Amino acid sequence: DVKVTQSSRYLVKRTGEKVFLECVQDMDHENMFWYRQDPGLGLRLIYFSYDVKMKEKGDIPEGYSVSREKKERFSLILESASTNQTSMYLCASSSPKGVTTEAFFGQGTRLTVV
Amino acid sequence: AQTVTQSQPEMSVQEAETVTLSCTYDTSESDYYLFWYKQPPSRQMILVIRQEAYKQQNATENRFSVNFQKAAKSFSLKISDSQLGDAAMYFCAYYLYNNNDMRFGAGTRLTVKP
Repeated sequence: DVKVTQSSRYLVKRTGEKVFLECVQDMDHENMFWYRQDPGLGLRLIYFSYDVKMKEKGDIPEGYSVSREKKERFSLILESASTNQTSMYLCASSSPKGVTTEAFFGQGTRLTVV
Repeated sequence: AQTVTQSQPEMSVQEAETVTLSCTYDTSESDYYLFWYKQPPSRQMILVIRQEAYKQQNATENRFSVNFQKAAKSFSLKISDSQLGDAAMYFCAYYLYNNNDMRFGAGTRLTVKP
């Protein structure tokens, strides 16, 4: 069974903290994505990666960075957390070589910055 | 900018009736895939249906079908014989094969009335 796992389901951090959101997939997928989900705005792409050490900015990269040192792991980093980064964060993976190319999602991390 | 637009923030349907959710998209790419995802209260994103842009035939999955109008860049989802379990947020998305980019719309919240 395919699986994308996010390290935390709920997270509370203080303003100014450095925050790491981890995502691991076990499907040997090339592509990995980080989205932010807010009511009325849907899923907005923060960053994506199509290979190890490769990254591309999405629509809202400001205040975030990413790391992909291994194929199965894609980390989202909030360098200095702010209250406007309180949101639901979704990680996904997919393969362009696959039959379906669909994205598989983690369960989401609800981050609250206080 | 490449975008996905869902113009209906909320929709409601009576159990056993049919409902259509709208989606339009904008891309200059010719090689892409379109998806409808469902997100129930559990937050887990679930693939409902998929359409390859090069295929003219509309995709169908049991009670779910799409109306794909490539020239109009329209991709609507029809749910027949609606069930209580269909109540969820529905997201339309595209995946661009050439640059591995995947974008989502703002979502439509579907309520199913018994």
